[in-house]
Amino acid sequence: NAGVIQTPRHKVTGKGQEATLWCEPISGHSAVFWYRQTIVQGLEFLTYFRNQAPIDDSGMPKERFSAQMPNQSHSTLKIQSTQPQDSAVYLCASSHHWGANYAEQFFGPGTRLTVL
Amino acid sequence: GEKVEQHESTLSVREGDSAVINCTYTDTASSYFPWYKQEAGKSLHFVIDIRSNVDRKQSQRLIVLLDKKAKRFSLHITATQPEDSAIYFCAASMFGGGYKVVFGSGTRLLVSP
Repeated sequence: NAGVIQTPRHKVTGKGQEATLWCEPISGHSAVFWYRQTIVQGLEFLTYFRNQAPIDDSGMPKERFSAQMPNQSHSTLKIQSTQPQDSAVYLCASSHHWGANYAEQFFGPGTRLTVL
Repeated sequence: GEKVEQHESTLSVREGDSAVINCTYTDTASSYFPWYKQEAGKSLHFVIDIRSNVDRKQSQRLIVLLDKKAKRFSLHITATQPEDSAIYFCAASMFGGGYKVVFGSGTRLLVSP
């Protein structure tokens, strides 16, 4: 079990460029989450999918951020026209059913995005 | 929406002592409370959780207490070891790990020999 895989691990973009972050959840996990972590804001929820369907994107900055889950094996987070304040570690997590409940979330190593 | 407040931003203890991290939440509908550990330079790692149908759960040296009336929960680490040093995050969710989880701001625990 390779765990949650996130690529790239580090990405540097210039202001105004686009950044696409990839996440491969643990096989068999039906819920996938995206978070953003910064020193100032801490851990912020962005969005999540269950069985590939978007469920809650209440944490997403609407204008430039979008997330997709085209199949059960990967999800993408796209940031258009990146700004310096987008610099953060972006974390992906996945979770699976355990009886009637969902088990804990397993986190990937994160993608550190730096916008110059 | 749910808000989780983590009361201790830093905590220093001597090896062998107990450490207690306290959190409060606002939404009475929350029923699942996980705790995560983040070591320096690494991602979050699940350590223990508690559901609202119980008020205490123990896993080896970790004890979680839940007081639903006060909307308060806490993580107790007994017989601390230097490798317990990390940032600990509490969190709350309405249904479980497959649903939106709101995290606290984190407590940096330092265990000194």
